[in-house]
Amino acid sequence: GQQVMQIPQYQHVQEGEDFTTYCNSSTTLSNIQWYKQRPGGHPVFLIQLVKSGEVKKQKRLTFQFGEAKKNSSLHITATQTTDVGTYFCAGGYGGSQGNLIFGKGTKLSVKP
Amino acid sequence: DSGVTQTPKHLITATGQRVTLRCSPRSGDLSVYWYQQSLDQGLQFLIQYYNGEERAKGNILERFSAQQFPDLHSELNLSSLELGDSALYFCASSKEDRGNQPQHFGDGTRLSIL
Repeated sequence: GQQVMQIPQYQHVQEGEDFTTYCNSSTTLSNIQWYKQRPGGHPVFLIQLVKSGEVKKQKRLTFQFGEAKKNSSLHITATQTTDVGTYFCAGGYGGSQGNLIFGKGTKLSVKP
Repeated sequence: DSGVTQTPKHLITATGQRVTLRCSPRSGDLSVYWYQQSLDQGLQFLIQYYNGEERAKGNILERFSAQQFPDLHSELNLSSLELGDSALYFCASSKEDRGNQPQHFGDGTRLSIL
């Protein structure tokens, strides 16, 4: 079945450093979505990428979708303590498959 | 506030028991998804319903079952509970049943098995 691999599992950074998490699917995705879960909270939708090579920005966050629509990345510039949480990517495969396949997430901790 | 309501927030019970978790989707959303999240683990997809019909099944144990009612709320039933079933159970909803819709998550039900 479809799988979405996400690395790294954990990332510890000093405040002000950059952070990147990567997702990879074995098969072509129809779209990829990113979610953030704060400690003690629930996953919150951040963004959806649909087009090959798409790049979207939200303030210090940059999201990319690969040309082959099999991989994606989330890059945070100059991390802040408010960025702490677990970032999940979730792949949609289209067709009759209605559910998303979530990666295992990258847990980000930021040292002030 | 995501608009997805889950009850109860916490549930403590013993092994062998049966519990029911409830989820009300966002207004206008027809699709409901159930996930299990164990400590420091990812989101394990359990099952999806769309407008009352089962749409997709993930790693859901035979001891677990779910349904979606005509008013679109959904219930997840867990029976013959084991210690390993202790986890956070999330419900999410989306407008349609295709995998290109953002999902909106509830606050979850934390299930503790003693």
